[in-house]
Amino acid sequence: GDSVTQMEGPVTLSEEAFLTINCTYTATGYPSLFWYVQYPGEGLQLLLKATKADDKGSNKGFEATYRKETTSFHLEKGSVQVSDSAVYFCALRGSNDYKLSFGAGTTVTVRA
Amino acid sequence: DTGVSQDPRHKITKRGQNVTFRCDPISEHNRLYWYRQTLGQGPEFLTYFQNEAQLEKSRLLSDRFSAERPKGSFSTLEIQRTEQGDSAMYLCASSRETYGYTFGSGTRLTVV
Repeated sequence: GDSVTQMEGPVTLSEEAFLTINCTYTATGYPSLFWYVQYPGEGLQLLLKATKADDKGSNKGFEATYRKETTSFHLEKGSVQVSDSAVYFCALRGSNDYKLSFGAGTTVTVRA
Repeated sequence: DTGVSQDPRHKITKRGQNVTFRCDPISEHNRLYWYRQTLGQGPEFLTYFQNEAQLEKSRLLSDRFSAERPKGSFSTLEIQRTEQGDSAMYLCASSRETYGYTFGSGTRLTVV
């Protein structure tokens, strides 16, 4: 079945550092790929998405590129802020499906 | 758009008791999903409604779990004879067709 593997955390960074969270997936066909973010005490929020190979999703300074050849969707941000402290989840939705399959999440803490 | 509302936010119950959670989706969303998230893991799919019809149930949803969505509006998730292993965050999400999900803030269940 479809599955997502993402980099284990926790990750602790200083403000303005570069952030990368690795995500790889296993799926048949052409899934859509997502990054969700969960801030403390809040629900999951869609951060960005990509629906086909080579698409780049971007939002709030975060970027991720759908790489079919490496089955990856790594999340990057060039300069993190304290407000980026959250749990980040990589997810996929299989083609012709409605369910999301999530990775285990990566906790990111940014220190001033 | 008031978002997806879940009630209660927290529930503590004794083992063996029944609990019921409610989810109010975004009004124009015809699809509603329930997920369960345990500590340190990503959300796992439980069940899916399109309008009032429950179209899929995960194997995670044992016979003690039942979900309804009368009239295709709000949904309830009931757990009978709760067990300690049921302790988790229960997340509801809604969407219009296959477009992006909107998640609620979740109901955190603790079974003591």
